[in-house]
Amino acid sequence: AQSVTQPDIHITVSEGASLELRCNYSYGATPYLFWYVQSPGQGLQLLLKYFSGDTLVQGIKGFEAEFKRSQSSFNLRKPSVHWSDAAEYFCAVGSWGGYNKLIFGAGTRLAVHP
Amino acid sequence: DAGITQSPRYKITETGRQVTLMCHQTWSHSYMFWYRQDLGHGLRLIYYSAAADITDKGEVPDGYVVSRSKTENFPLTLESATRSQTSVYFCASNPGGFTGELFFGEGSRLTVL
Repeated sequence: AQSVTQPDIHITVSEGASLELRCNYSYGATPYLFWYVQSPGQGLQLLLKYFSGDTLVQGIKGFEAEFKRSQSSFNLRKPSVHWSDAAEYFCAVGSWGGYNKLIFGAGTRLAVHP
Repeated sequence: DAGITQSPRYKITETGRQVTLMCHQTWSHSYMFWYRQDLGHGLRLIYYSAAADITDKGEVPDGYVVSRSKTENFPLTLESATRSQTSVYFCASNPGGFTGELFFGEGSRLTVL
């Protein structure tokens, strides 16, 4: 069965510092991988996605993520965090065919200190 | 462009009552989904639908009922609400063809007393 693990429940960084949010997945075949962001009181917005090809994918708001098959990981990075990046971040995995269902991780809440 | 809207945004009810959460999308997306969000669990899939009159269970369907008589609407009903169903509920849609991206509503916060 597919699953997603986000090991860090909370992360605090200083504004301007670099950021890496971890995501590990379990899936038998090549997964589709996603990162979503949720601002307080809002729904989820897609940051980026990986289907195939280049393992480093660029997303919106200056985020990028790298797919590492050998580590079953899809970590999200940003070189310089802004206060507006404070939010909850969800990693998700999907599969070929069958309704486009996504399985989400538990989320990582990011706090940004000025 | 209204997108996907959920109502009510906030609801307080009592144990044993029936509650219906509404979801409406204006894009004519084929696929629609209901997730619940709970601390420590992320989002868990309750039910999904590939088209009108086609629905199927997700990870946590017990205690919930869905219907989809029209493409644009996907209501979620709690037939007899329990405290464990206190949660934030998100409706999402997808146009099909596996773009992967789900488009989410703003959520409905339900409290069961």
